[in-house]
Amino acid sequence: DTAVSQTPKYLVTQMGNDKSIKCEQNLGHDTMYWYKQDSKKFLKIMFSYNNKELIINETVPNRFSPKSPDKAHLNLHINSLELGDSAVYFCASSQVGANYGYTFGSGTRLTVV
Amino acid sequence: AQRVTQPEKLLSVFKGAPVELKCNYSYSGSPELFWYVQYSRQRLQLLLRHISRESIKGFTADLNKGETSFHLKKPFAQEEDSAMYYCALSFDRGSTLGRLYFGRGTQLTVWP
Repeated sequence: DTAVSQTPKYLVTQMGNDKSIKCEQNLGHDTMYWYKQDSKKFLKIMFSYNNKELIINETVPNRFSPKSPDKAHLNLHINSLELGDSAVYFCASSQVGANYGYTFGSGTRLTVV
Repeated sequence: AQRVTQPEKLLSVFKGAPVELKCNYSYSGSPELFWYVQYSRQRLQLLLRHISRESIKGFTADLNKGETSFHLKKPFAQEEDSAMYYCALSFDRGSTLGRLYFGRGTQLTVWP
């Protein structure tokens, strides 16, 4: 069973559209994250939720809105997509305090044309 | 502030040669340090945690608090080791508990 699963794996869309990426974890972890990996492979945290509560919100345009219906899910909705949003978006989960590190999803490659 | 520094963006070695991927961190407390590996177009996978002191796929890493380093080493590189390697740090207290700070990554290429 996949521990952290993201859908879709690939997403190609036009500028100005609104799209969502879904993430689910079955590890029982209490914290989930969204990371953006740019074309230079730099990983930048975007958001973090702990038990459905937003705890990290980095400098991200407010076109990006995370939603956590329960602690096993963290979705990312993006409004008015721009060319610069093209990247690979990784979801991850962890158990705070356990220091086992993160378990990552396989990533969603978003291409805005 | 840059908390994790990986000074080499690219590193190339020949198969069978030793390899060392450098990682330095800035934190005065007791950090937890990790190495993650990302093979081409795949997810990031945890390679090592410093607290477990284990060797995975022949890789080891020692935390040197005096030099604030956590370099990743392997005595004999293999072609399948070619990947992107990220060093990451987690604090042990406070509001950032559990958050991982990643370095910019080092792309390792092992030539045949």
